[in-house]
Amino acid sequence: DAGVIQSPRHEVTEMGQEVTLRCKPISGHNSLFWYRQTMMRGLELLIYFNNNVPIDDSGMPEDRFSAKMPNASFSTLKIQPSEPRDSAVYFCASSLDRVRETQYFGPGTRLLVL
Amino acid sequence: AQKITQTQPGMFVQEKEAVTLDCTYDTSDQSYGLFWYKQPSSGEMIFLIYQGSYDEQNATEGRYSLNFQKARKSANLVISASQLGDSAMYFCAMGRNTGFQKLVFGTGTRLLVSP
Repeated sequence: DAGVIQSPRHEVTEMGQEVTLRCKPISGHNSLFWYRQTMMRGLELLIYFNNNVPIDDSGMPEDRFSAKMPNASFSTLKIQPSEPRDSAVYFCASSLDRVRETQYFGPGTRLLVL
Repeated sequence: AQKITQTQPGMFVQEKEAVTLDCTYDTSDQSYGLFWYKQPSSGEMIFLIYQGSYDEQNATEGRYSLNFQKARKSANLVISASQLGDSAMYFCAMGRNTGFQKLVFGTGTRLLVSP
């Protein structure tokens, strides 16, 4: 079975550029989560969706960040404009929205903003 | 608010020995779930084990077991018969036991298994 798929796996960009990270959740999962991992802040939840609807975006750091889920099999996290402090590993995870369900993580996108 | 505390930044263990990684939590919820994830140097997050707050027995998954002490709000991970491949970061996390769980993660413990 395919797990959560993220692309690109690595992204290097210059400050001010737009960055789009992509995620395909596990088929049948209806909850999707975007996390960011940094040395300073650890692993933090940015936003999560249930049935394609954003439920909680309180973790999104600022207006430069936006996330969409146009359908059940695709989500994007966009940073515009990017800044060096956005450099991190961005994980997408998915799960079923049932009690006791586990979140399964994608391989992550390692972003470096110069 | 929920909070996870992992007080051991690093742990060392010899191959084939058992090791316990500590995790304490704080929550006002009555129903919640506790998770452990492994993050090897390659970076992916691998789910290991889950414990529900109302589970009467400690969870076990192969060489992993969870020592759940609800009154002390602790959910320690026990790895038996350590292997070199167990060297990794280990994260404890918790979420409400609702339909979709917003997870809060601890800072992690780096485990190094030596031959």
